[in-house]
Amino acid sequence: EVKLVESGGGLVKPGGSLRLSCAASGFTFSTYNMNWVRQAPGKGLEWVSSIVTSTSYIYYTDSVKGRFTISRDNAKNSLYLQMNSLRAEDTGVYYCARGRDTAGGYYFDYWGQGTLVTVSS
Amino acid sequence: SYELTQPPSVSVSPGQTARITCSGDALPKKFAYWYQQKSGQAPVLVIYEDNKRPSEIPERFSGSSSGTMATLTISGAQVEDEADYYCHSTNRVFGGGTKLTVL
Repeated sequence: EVKLVESGGGLVKPGGSLRLSCAASGFTFSTYNMNWVRQAPGKGLEWVSSIVTSTSYIYYTDSVKGRFTISRDNAKNSLYLQMNSLRAEDTGVYYCARGRDTAGGYYFDYWGQGTLVTVSS
Repeated sequence: SYELTQPPSVSVSPGQTARITCSGDALPKKFAYWYQQKSGQAPVLVIYEDNKRPSEIPERFSGSSSGTMATLTISGAQVEDEADYYCHSTNRVFGGGTKLTVL
């Protein structure tokens, strides 16, 4: 059974930092692209960042470039998101999602339960 | 930038067919994917590559795509299908979501 468990969320002041983690199990982690997708309170889904299997390619949505860093440790079956210079608009639930990259497109086939990040003074 | 447009809400009675649309300029060339998100829960993939259904998803869920519009169809919608539904396509873009009410 594929399982993704996020942790590391919490309350942080504007300008602060947080590091999110995602523990993966039930599949060969090193062979899949991984992603972070977030959801602001009462809003829709927003893709944040992706990292390919070998970490050779990393992608970010424009609003987090230069502030967030995605990484992975294939030996520990873990995905991370280092978030610096946090803003109020970064508030939301952050989901870890497994990516599938096919000839027809890229999609997210399994999701974790999410971890809540609240940026507020 | 690329966008996907969904109706904000759709409402049906139990047993009726619910249709949720998603429009986007790239859909003639790219697959559409659909996610179901029940209140307080994580999204779940219900349709991939326009019309394929993961094995654990009930048969009443189906997908189609024609031109610039993709459609998620729930035949004989159940009360437990009440959720937000998001379409998704290329460039990691999501539609704004459609709230399906079944009552």
